[in-house]
Amino acid sequence: GAGVSQSPRYKVAKRGQDVALRCDPISGHVSLFWYQQALGQGPEFLTYFQNEAQLDKSGLPSDRFFAERPEGSVSTLKIQRTQQEDSAVYLCASRGADTQYFGPGTRLTVL
Amino acid sequence: DAKTTQPNSMESNEEEPVHLPCNHSTISGTDYIHWYRQLPSQGPEYVIHGLTSNVNNRMASLAIAEDRKSSTLILHRATLRDAAVYYCILSESLSGAGSYQLTFGKGTKLSVIP
Repeated sequence: GAGVSQSPRYKVAKRGQDVALRCDPISGHVSLFWYQQALGQGPEFLTYFQNEAQLDKSGLPSDRFFAERPEGSVSTLKIQRTQQEDSAVYLCASRGADTQYFGPGTRLTVL
Repeated sequence: DAKTTQPNSMESNEEEPVHLPCNHSTISGTDYIHWYRQLPSQGPEYVIHGLTSNVNNRMASLAIAEDRKSSTLILHRATLRDAAVYYCILSESLSGAGSYQLTFGKGTKLSVIP
């Protein structure tokens, strides 16, 4: 079946712009995660959803970061007033029986 | 989550076995050992996981020390497609109602020489 998909794959934003990153998890997966991966580093946890409920947002770096999953399937990560330090790959994962399945990521570059 | 220690990089010749070590001396009794790998420009991919006993699947084998303070991921015949960053991760929960977030380190970058 289809895996986790993310769009866009690449996004270039000017500093101060708002961006929205989309994640389509594997159908039927209740749990959804967002991670941020800086160049040369491992992914870092941002936030977690169980269905539409955001149960953990402890990894969001600032109040400019906002995530939602209104119908318990597709999720959107929104970054307001982007800064250069937001440049990274943003990964989405959904959880199956015993593992997380990751999407290809969205590479965000803030100029 | 407990921390893990891995070498920054390793090299292997193609078609030879590869042993990727991971130290986790502060592992708790309920921590599972997970291995993921990340190929260039892709998201991490599940490789294998275990609790106490050694595990085998079509991708790799996982050897867990008797005291569980270390483990080794074994690729039986490295191919060029195995060149990736390999992450060893500890996680308390495996499934069920609770979530578990994966805490990645920097991993081991495996290079495969033709």
